[in-house]
Amino acid sequence: GQNIDQPTEMTATEGAIVQINCTYQTSGFNGLFWYQQHAGEAPTFLSYNVLDGLEEKGRFSSFLSRSKGYSYLLLKELQMKDSASYLCAVMDSNYQLIWGAGTKLIIKP
Amino acid sequence: IAGITQAPTSQILAAGRRMTLRCTQDMRHNAMYWYRQDLGLGLRLIHYSNTAGTTGKGEVPDGYSVSRANTDDFPLTLASAVPSQTSVYFCASSDSAGGAEAFFGQGTRLTVV
Repeated sequence: GQNIDQPTEMTATEGAIVQINCTYQTSGFNGLFWYQQHAGEAPTFLSYNVLDGLEEKGRFSSFLSRSKGYSYLLLKELQMKDSASYLCAVMDSNYQLIWGAGTKLIIKP
Repeated sequence: IAGITQAPTSQILAAGRRMTLRCTQDMRHNAMYWYRQDLGLGLRLIHYSNTAGTTGKGEVPDGYSVSRANTDDFPLTLASAVPSQTSVYFCASSDSAGGAEAFFGQGTRLTVV
């Protein structure tokens, strides 16, 4: 079966750095997405990785290792507004997105 | 403002009733999707459409139907609602079926009693 694993919840301090991991086992691979979802709101796109390596976009970076079935989202200089759930999703061989359950990130002052 | 709109925002529905959730996008995206989101689970695909006139079944299609008569609209119908269909439903669209980011509507919170 297809499976996406990410931690259920993480806590970090304002101004710090946090890394959210995602491991996957899917039928084929056509890219990995990270989305942010604030409570009661729709998911919004953060990043897309299809090749191995690090993609940096401001305070957020995303890393992919296809051989290990592994990705992480790195958030730097954490702000209170970063409190949200972070969703990892993999596009499989049928171009369908398989979603993880999400990681709820709690930022403390 | 361009985007994707869902209606209604929330609904309480009696079991056995028929209900259509509406979804409209004005971005001229080819692909559209319906997901349900339940606590502790990832988004699960109900139905999708890669282009107007075509639809396909996702991971959890039972009890739901869709149509794609044109590019902009992608309604989701519950023929006879059951309590297990209580969920938050998200409609999404993307420019193509593969590799493109998906844009989500604001969601419909449906409670079946």
